[in-house]
Amino acid sequence: TQLLEQSPQFLSIQEGENLTVYCNSSSVFSSLQWYRQEPGEGPVLLVTVVTGGEVKKLKRLTFQFGDARKDSSLHITAAQTGDTGLYLCAGAKGNNRLAFGKGNQVVVIP
Amino acid sequence: NAGVTQTPKFQVLKTGQSMTLQCAQDMNHNSMYWYRQDPGMGLRLIYYSASEGTTDKGEVPNGYNVSRLNKREFSLRLESAAPSQTSVYFCASSADWQAYNEQFFGPGTRLTVL
Repeated sequence: TQLLEQSPQFLSIQEGENLTVYCNSSSVFSSLQWYRQEPGEGPVLLVTVVTGGEVKKLKRLTFQFGDARKDSSLHITAAQTGDTGLYLCAGAKGNNRLAFGKGNQVVVIP
Repeated sequence: NAGVTQTPKFQVLKTGQSMTLQCAQDMNHNSMYWYRQDPGMGLRLIYYSASEGTTDKGEVPNGYNVSRLNKREFSLRLESAAPSQTSVYFCASSADWQAYNEQFFGPGTRLTVL
């Protein structure tokens, strides 16, 4: 059973469009992280959210942590081709291990 | 400051052969991890080391062994490789396991077992 479910698994959009991807769980996490992975490379940390309801912005990327600390969303405004990649969410439960979702594969078409 | 480095980048083995994947970090991190990534399965934890001198099993430890050689280095050994171990292997490190456990990943080793 996957602890974190990410949806949609695959998303293809035109450059300039907006998109939102989701990371959902029935478990409560002490914090949740988003990573981006490009082909042939390791995941790179984008953001950590800690407080329920927290919103963090990273340029055109907006991350939100659910009020109950069970889910999160990532919104990209005016997507660019450089946003193409696999977005992974990971939840921390305080036992020095992370539970990873399977990822949202985003493709931005020029 | 290279971050997390892994060697080799690519490897092809025959069934039954052994090999060791090397990982080193230069960020003075306490915790280190080994994951495998397979299509449709996401990242799965094989083994981790919360601090120098300790190692623990993760989600999929069978067929693997690890050594935390010192604070910088954490190696993963396949004693008798099987085709099911064909995967991309990532090493990661984090500063403090009691904190948010933000992890920094290496570039990966792409292993094929024939």
